[in-house]
Amino acid sequence: DAGITQSPRHKVTETGTPVTLRCHQTENHRYMYWYRQDPGHGLRLIHYSYGVKDTDKGEVSDGYSVSRSKTEDFLLTLESATSSQTSVYFCATAGGKGNTIYFGEGSWLTVV
Amino acid sequence: SQELEQSPQSLIVQEGKNLTINCTSSKTLYGLYWYKQKYGEGLIFLMMLQKGGEEKSHEKITAKLDEKKQQSSLHITASQPSHAGIYLCGAPEGGTSYGKLTFGQGTILTVHP
Repeated sequence: DAGITQSPRHKVTETGTPVTLRCHQTENHRYMYWYRQDPGHGLRLIHYSYGVKDTDKGEVSDGYSVSRSKTEDFLLTLESATSSQTSVYFCATAGGKGNTIYFGEGSWLTVV
Repeated sequence: SQELEQSPQSLIVQEGKNLTINCTSSKTLYGLYWYKQKYGEGLIFLMMLQKGGEEKSHEKITAKLDEKKQQSSLHITASQPSHAGIYLCGAPEGGTSYGKLTFGQGTILTVHP
């Protein structure tokens, strides 16, 4: 358990609305990541952060933005949600002992 | 880009049987993470391997990294229903150890009592 809390855990939203998912960690890990998990595609990296205000794009970043103003919080924003963004979103952190990467419990997002 | 292929895709075993899951990379593995996921839940970290030939064990699960073959294996001894779930392997990009992982598609394990 790496002290990762994702919110909201479940959300249903309408196409075209903005959505923000929050990842909060209590371990002071430097690195944070957002992944999405979809049937047939597995887990794919959306965005990542190497520190406060230091973020970069992952494999599937189109339609997503992120922000990290504090070490403990990493926000994922869908500016205008589309049905293709219906997915399970996982936050992960790294930077502790042994390079272990821990994942949160996931946020289930449905865009209707 | 790196691709990871897991085999088998699914596995059904009787309780008490041993089993092995393989993870094969299209490129040299600089490290390999194994996770377990229950349906509808998050990923539970199992083990991380960093060096070629490295082997780690936790309870009844043993993982090995064969860098020469670009492959890792996860072996469960005397399986139990609690071992059921989806097993995922993930590999870091390039020579970095941290978090930009490429994942395999997962192996679904069912253990019948």
